[in-house]
Amino acid sequence: DTGVSQNPRHKITKRGQNVTFRCDPISEHNRLYWYRQTLGQGPEFLTYFQNEAQLEKSRLLSDRFSAERPKGSFSTLEIQRTEQGDSAMYLCASSFAETLAEAFFGQGTRLTVV
Amino acid sequence: AQSVTQPDIHITVSEGASLELRCNYSYGATPYLFWYVQSPGQGLQLLLKYFSGDTLVQGIKGFEAEFKRSQSSFNLRKPSVHWSDAAEYFCAVGAGASYDKVIFGPGTSLSVIP
Repeated sequence: DTGVSQNPRHKITKRGQNVTFRCDPISEHNRLYWYRQTLGQGPEFLTYFQNEAQLEKSRLLSDRFSAERPKGSFSTLEIQRTEQGDSAMYLCASSFAETLAEAFFGQGTRLTVV
Repeated sequence: AQSVTQPDIHITVSEGASLELRCNYSYGATPYLFWYVQSPGQGLQLLLKYFSGDTLVQGIKGFEAEFKRSQSSFNLRKPSVHWSDAAEYFCAVGAGASYDKVIFGPGTSLSVIP
């Protein structure tokens, strides 16, 4: 197992375009998390899934953001009509339920909106 | 609401010197506390965690942290810093009814002088 994998690693997009990121968690993990990290800040919680169910969404996740985990395996995070303020590192993590401390993070997708 | 503060934005130490990174948390119940490290281009890596029991917790890479409930603190220490320890360090608290997400502090950037 190669750990949590995120693709792409970098994405540059024009304002107003839609982007989609993918996260492949560690295969046996049933929880998957999305975080956003801006320069000089700690990661901010966005949402998480247990299997295919999205259990919580942060108020940071505006209507332009949507996340899915259709088969309880990989997950996608889509941002519609990107804005410059969306520029950030988007981190994915996975874990077993109720063993949050063992969450493993991917290397992230860095989004730049120009 | 749960929150984490890290008073020091940036710390510089000489290689071989001791290190202490400060962390204060705000949480009503028994906290579930973590320290993560993030090296450039790398994902977040868990250094250590505390939930209950011995208030002095040992982690990887020679790090330890001490939970002090009276001070709402969870400071990270290392007796002798190596140049490879230069990174961003995040203190975090488990949040939610079943500790199903992690709230991160803003981070402390560590520089090591050879």
